[in-house]
Amino acid sequence: QVQLVQSGAEVKKPGASVKVSCKASGYTFTGYYMHWVRQAPGQGLEWMGRINPNSGGTNYAQKFQGRVTMTRDTSISTAYMELSRLRSDDTVVYYCAREASTVTTKYFDLWGRGTLVTVSS
Amino acid sequence: SYVLTQPPSVSVAPGQTARITCGGNNIGSKSVHWYQQKPGQAPVLVVYDDSDRPSGIPERFSGSNSGNTATLTISRVEAGDEADYYCQVWDSSSDPYVVFGGGTKLTVL
Repeated sequence: QVQLVQSGAEVKKPGASVKVSCKASGYTFTGYYMHWVRQAPGQGLEWMGRINPNSGGTNYAQKFQGRVTMTRDTSISTAYMELSRLRSDDTVVYYCAREASTVTTKYFDLWGRGTLVTVSS
Repeated sequence: SYVLTQPPSVSVAPGQTARITCGGNNIGSKSVHWYQQKPGQAPVLVVYDDSDRPSGIPERFSGSNSGNTATLTISRVEAGDEADYYCQVWDSSSDPYVVFGGGTKLTVL
């Protein structure tokens, strides 16, 4: 079964870091870029960046540069997103999403169920 | 960065046609993708590359893109279509690479 299974909800204090995992199954993990998208409660979708599971190469949105680190462990088909120096406005749901592509564009054909991270003192 | 503008809400009666727009500067030169998101669930791709449907998505969902507006059209709307809908484009020449519209809440009356 093709799916992305994310780690469970987290509660963190301001200034701490969080690491969310996304385990892929049912397809070749190294064959598809993995993206991270987040969504504040009642708000829209926001792209954070992506990782090439084959090479480990990353592209981050400028907004998150310096605070986000995306990594992967190919031996267990898992991608990770670590966000540091957490603030209250980082209290959102984080999704991993598999990239699909045509010659000219990229989109997301498979999503994890999301991981809620709550930042609270 | 590139901006995509969607109406906050669209309402339609069952059996009618819903049209959800996504505005952007010369968006017709880009490929637009659409996602459906129901409360408490992850987004689901319903249209990609302007007008293609993933397997399993009903033919009632269609898309078009020209000029400064892309449109998701849902024909013969059903109660189960009530959800938030987001448009998305990819542009690796700008930051961020991926841009989403603000989302449109489709209400089935």
